[in-house]
Amino acid sequence: QVQLQESGPGLVKPSQTLSLTCTVSGDSVGSSSYYWTWIRQPAGKGLEWVGRIYSNGRTNYNPSLKSRVTISTDTSKNQFSLKLSSVTAADTAVYYCARGGDCTGGACFTYWGQGTLVTVSS
Amino acid sequence: EIVLTQSPGTLSLSPGERATLSCRASQSVGSDYLAWYQQKPGQAPSLLIYGISSRASGIPDRFSGSGSGTDFTLTISRLEPEDFAMYYCQQYGSSLFTFGPGTRVDIK
Repeated sequence: QVQLQESGPGLVKPSQTLSLTCTVSGDSVGSSSYYWTWIRQPAGKGLEWVGRIYSNGRTNYNPSLKSRVTISTDTSKNQFSLKLSSVTAADTAVYYCARGGDCTGGACFTYWGQGTLVTVSS
Repeated sequence: EIVLTQSPGTLSLSPGERATLSCRASQSVGSDYLAWYQQKPGQAPSLLIYGISSRASGIPDRFSGSGSGTDFTLTISRLEPEDFAMYYCQQYGSSLFTFGPGTRVDIK
């Protein structure tokens, strides 16, 4: 059974960098046939895809966030990470990590973490 | 970017009734690239349907998906108490995933 768990600071100051880590069990971030992704959800609002990374290191980012986002993997810890720079209050959200690609066409997210709330405030 | 619109915003029904949720795309969506998720308060979304009409593992057959091109439907044939939740459609195109704003299914 694949399990994902987000971790990181719950409070980030404006203009600083948001950093989150997703620890994976039941699969390998460095050799999986699937991809690893971040999705966020502001309170009471809908879902926004942030970006994804494949085991070969290839990444795709949401164009609306691309200039501020970096997703990377740490295969020694079986983790992948999100860094979002120059944050503002608009980046306040629950951030989910998820595994995607294990469906026809590869365009779905099957396993999700429980989510972690990040608040941007001074 | 393909924009998804969902209707209605809220659907108020009773257990046992049929629910029909609509998802409309601003451009045609590939047949493998439309999915539906259920989200309950305080929980992560969970995959219901992928590839327009394929049920994810463990999803009961009262859930079904249909449609093509720009118009898609999620149908719940007979609502069970655990089905009252938020539902999102999601598409993939040009290396970008987008979600609809969601439909809330409430108990009438």
